[in-house]
Amino acid sequence: GAVVSQHPSWVICKSGTSVKIECRSLDFQATTMFWYRQFPKQSLMLMATSNEGSKATYEQGVEKDKFLINHASLTLSTLTVTSAHPEDSSFYICSARILTAEEQFFGPGTRLTVL
Amino acid sequence: AQSVTQLDSHVSVSEGTPVLLRCNYSSSYSPSLFWYVQHPNKGLQLLLKYTSAATLVKGINGFEAEFKKSETSFHLTKPSAHMSDAAEYFCVVSENDSWGKLQFGAGTQVVVTP
Repeated sequence: GAVVSQHPSWVICKSGTSVKIECRSLDFQATTMFWYRQFPKQSLMLMATSNEGSKATYEQGVEKDKFLINHASLTLSTLTVTSAHPEDSSFYICSARILTAEEQFFGPGTRLTVL
Repeated sequence: AQSVTQLDSHVSVSEGTPVLLRCNYSSSYSPSLFWYVQHPNKGLQLLLKYTSAATLVKGINGFEAEFKKSETSFHLTKPSAHMSDAAEYFCVVSENDSWGKLQFGAGTQVVVTP
């Protein structure tokens, strides 16, 4: 089956620093990748949609200058949390979709803790 | 606009008894509907999906769901719960013209007791 990986699986950083999270589709080419955020005991909230080679589309209320998304290839998307603050601490999950398929394949998530 | 409501935030069942997780949706267009499961510290796994074919959908691990347009529901069932079914379950809706954007329900935590 289609596998999506994320790296790192967890990261702790100091307030004010930037953190990059990678999302890779391992055995398929993903035309579209999605980034979600999940707070403890809550549902997933879509942050942005990215298509390979074009700018990401952000959901309302998501700061595009704070959450930088790059989708440089059909197998890699990155999310950079810039100038992280404790309120950015969360579980970040990516998913990848093939153009002809309805289904999204999810990565295992990255737990970010900002001190 | 699309939305999904999971009617139970928490369900507790005994091992070997049926499981019912309720989900209602709202969609302006013909929706696709999914159920995902999330085990602690693991990625989301697709249980089953409805994409305008058969209204009774069979998924993995003995789960199935029935799409009822008149009731705008997509409830998930399993005849006999197993201890390994303890997890968080999400009902998800996608509209065919939304470029794959998924709207997640709030989730239902399933506890299975021996």
